[in-house]
Amino acid sequence: ETGVTQTPRHLVMGMTNKKSLKCEQHLGHNAMYWYKQSAKKPLELMFVYNFKEQTENNSVPSRFSPECPNSSHLFLHLHTLQPEDSALYLCASSQGRGEDEQFFGPGTRLTVL
Amino acid sequence: QQQVKQSPQSLIVQKGGISIINCAYENTAFDYFPWYQQFPGKGPALLIAIRPDVSEMKEGRFTISFNKSAKQFSLHIMDSQPGDSATYFCAADSSYKLIFGSGTRLLVRP
Repeated sequence: ETGVTQTPRHLVMGMTNKKSLKCEQHLGHNAMYWYKQSAKKPLELMFVYNFKEQTENNSVPSRFSPECPNSSHLFLHLHTLQPEDSALYLCASSQGRGEDEQFFGPGTRLTVL
Repeated sequence: QQQVKQSPQSLIVQKGGISIINCAYENTAFDYFPWYQQFPGKGPALLIAIRPDVSEMKEGRFTISFNKSAKQFSLHIMDSQPGDSATYFCAADSSYKLIFGSGTRLLVRP
């Protein structure tokens, strides 16, 4: 595996389900990000982790819970989601923060019924 | 002040033509402006970037023009090819995080 991988690629869940999205980067980077991509809207930064420490929470509802056990793995735990949370969730990584190029995974297409 | 406004939302260009996508910002603290390209089923990938101390950055057929006084920057794709059909996002760096525009879906007709 190379680059940034995300699993699953597609997920359909009910509003009462609990699920987790997984991201893994094979680039030796120190920073990892979760973004939400909705149709016709800008990519919305959700969380930033730098050296496993959360450095940014962009006012994300508590039904989204991130976890970064090490610099290579990032999870997004989901519970009690709403239909409006349906979107493409993208993970990215970079060597550092700021101007370092961000490398994106292919995303998880989430549908909340 | 944190927004980056991008236009047009969609663009159709004939093969060989010039594609132009525009972005505008308000926050003068932004100091790094990348463009990302996204193909269907893939995540965005960095295409080209510019800092405000230069007015133009060119890489192959892709050029960023930057107007600091107007707080605007644009992406020009020369000799557009069908393989350039993708969604393009401009972005601006603020306090170690990227603020993205809403995206432009480009279709280059053969």
